[in-house]
Amino acid sequence: KQEVTQIPAALSVPEGENLVLNCSFTDSAIYNLQWFRQDPGKGLTSLLLIQSSQREQTSGRLNASLDKSSGRSTLYIAASQPGDSATYLCAVPNNAGNMLTFGGGTRLMVKP
Amino acid sequence: EPEVTQTPSHQVTQMGQEVILRCVPISNHLYFYWYRQILGQKVEFLVSFYNNEISEKSEIFDDQFSVERPDGSNFTLKIRSTKLEDSAMYFCASRKREAAYNEQFFGPGTRLTVL
Repeated sequence: KQEVTQIPAALSVPEGENLVLNCSFTDSAIYNLQWFRQDPGKGLTSLLLIQSSQREQTSGRLNASLDKSSGRSTLYIAASQPGDSATYLCAVPNNAGNMLTFGGGTRLMVKP
Repeated sequence: EPEVTQTPSHQVTQMGQEVILRCVPISNHLYFYWYRQILGQKVEFLVSFYNNEISEKSEIFDDQFSVERPDGSNFTLKIRSTKLEDSAMYFCASRKREAAYNEQFFGPGTRLTVL
């Protein structure tokens, strides 16, 4: 059974810092890994999807990396802003591509 | 940009009552999903739906739950007799193609409160 873990659970940084969020998964036979943003009481916004054949995927100030063999992904946020404050979730699909298994999230606070 | 929509945004119901949560997936998507998130816990998969039938379901999705695509646009989740522990945020999601590598896009959620 796939288990997804995110460390740290919470992170507080001053504005402008570069930061790294970590995601690990137990079953490395994945097709892809998806990173989401969740604002309090809101839905999930897809940020990046990184395919199993890719090492990195970039969108603006966000860069996601994937190392399947070690069961790890990182989300790098450059030059953090207060508007980046949210919970960041990673998720991986099962073999059928149906069921996403989510990590517990990292709650990020960027202070002005 | 097309998005998944859900109604209502908040539903309050009494224990034992039936509720129907509604979703309109993105129009050219073929796969539909329901997930839930109990306050403070992880997002959990409930069920996936393709070609008018359930393709996969979790152990959470017991006989009290059902899904339906009553027309070409709506996708519903019914809980027959709600329990206190059904209180959660329910998210609908959709995916475009058959291949496993495509993204799932989520709606804003329905907050269900069972009293």
